[in-house]
Amino acid sequence: NAGVTQTPKFRVLKTGQSMTLLCAQDMNHEYMYWYRQDPGMGLRLIHYSVGEGTTAKGEVPDGYNVSRLKKQNFLLGLESAAPSQTSVYFCAARDSNYGYTFGSGTRLTVV
Amino acid sequence: RKEVEQDPGPFNVPEGATVAFNCTYSNSASQSFFWYRQDCRKEPKLLMSVYSSGNEDGRFTAQLNRASQYISLLIRDSKLSDSATYLCVVPWANQAGTALIFGKGTTLSVSS
Repeated sequence: NAGVTQTPKFRVLKTGQSMTLLCAQDMNHEYMYWYRQDPGMGLRLIHYSVGEGTTAKGEVPDGYNVSRLKKQNFLLGLESAAPSQTSVYFCAARDSNYGYTFGSGTRLTVV
Repeated sequence: RKEVEQDPGPFNVPEGATVAFNCTYSNSASQSFFWYRQDCRKEPKLLMSVYSSGNEDGRFTAQLNRASQYISLLIRDSKLSDSATYLCVVPWANQAGTALIFGKGTTLSVSS
């Protein structure tokens, strides 16, 4: 049972490039989330989804888009990467008792 | 007041010490709270849930004071393996659904 899997684990992008981060869960959880973590800033919520086909904005949504076409997958897209988006990105899925299960993170550097 | 505030530390304590972290929150309607532990360059992992006045799990005790809107985490008999960052987590008051908001974390370093 893998839980939450994020791909890729590392990526370097040039400014202006686009990419998609994939989050996959095998726990059949309804809720999924994307956070970013920066030094001194803690984890900040980017977007989240309360079920297949739904998405909602979090605290810092600008510059990102998401899609939840299938219940098990939650995609985070960067259409035109900026150096300010250099960060560690964590995906999480939530169970009925509120606890989050996190993926192991994606370390993204935009140069 | 920010949604979640924590003392960033670092807290440097010897093995066997008792250490306490505090966290304040702004959403008075929050019903459930959590402490997560995060090791360096790893994902956060759930340490404890706090649904009522408090919760105890071995050496760890979490307490909730709704009137003052703060949560505390007490670690007794600290171990080297307790060294980590501890994140206070509260529900985010939003309209479309429910998400969790994380504090910036309190760093604990336990030394021998």
